[in-house]
Amino acid sequence: ETGVTQTPRHLVMGMTNKKSLKCEQHLGHNAMYWYKQSAKKPLELMFVYNFKEQTENNSVPSRFSPECPNSSHLFLHLHTLQPEDSALYLCASSQDGGLAGEQFFGPGTRLTVL
Amino acid sequence: QKEVEQNSGPLSVPEGAIASLNCTYSDRGSQSFFWYRQYSGKSPELIMFIYSNGDKEDGRFTAQLNKASQYVSLLIRDSQPSDSATYLCAVNGAGNMLTFGGGTRLMVKP
Repeated sequence: ETGVTQTPRHLVMGMTNKKSLKCEQHLGHNAMYWYKQSAKKPLELMFVYNFKEQTENNSVPSRFSPECPNSSHLFLHLHTLQPEDSALYLCASSQDGGLAGEQFFGPGTRLTVL
Repeated sequence: QKEVEQNSGPLSVPEGAIASLNCTYSDRGSQSFFWYRQYSGKSPELIMFIYSNGDKEDGRFTAQLNKASQYVSLLIRDSQPSDSATYLCAVNGAGNMLTFGGGTRLMVKP
C-alpha cells in the first residue's frame, strides 16, 4: 500500500448504528486530518492530530469521535448519526515542519445515513 | 471566521485556451496559498503553492498572488480536456491548518 488509504470506501448506515472509518498513511507523516465534503459546500476540517495529539476540534458534534493510536493510523467512530451527516469523509496527512499546506488525501469514504 | 471565496462555475473554455481561476480570502494574516485539483469522484491533489506576491510558474500552470488585494489566481495555459476538474483554493493562516474555498468547476471542451 502506498500513500493514504481509507476503508471502507462506501458505507450505508442507519441512524442507530455504530460504525468506524479507518485511515492509514504510509508516508511517514506526523499530522493527520479528517475532513467532511458535502455537496455544494467547501471542504470542512473536522479534526487535526499532530504527533498523535489532537490539536483541533472544529466544533464537531460529539456523535463523531476521532481516535489516533499512532502517527500512521486515524479512526473516526460514528454513532447516532443524522441524515445530514451523509457526505464524503476524507482523511489527509502531512509532514509537520514540511511544506505547510501540502496535504495528501486518501480516496475518501462515501457515507450515507438512512 | 476565515473565509475563502471562489466562483463555483462551471467555467467553460475551449481546448488550447487559457483558463483563469480566481480566489479571494478574508484573513490578512494568511501566509501561504494552495491550489488543489479534484477530479469527479476522486480526492484533492496539490498542484501549486505560492507564498510571495507575484507570479509563480510550473509548466502550464501559473499561480498569481496579490496580498494587498487578498486575491490569488491560477492560470492554466493550453487547456486540455484532461484539465476538466474542480479546482480548490486553500489558504494557510498558521501551522498546518487549511481553509478551503468551495471550488471552481472547470470544463475544457475539445
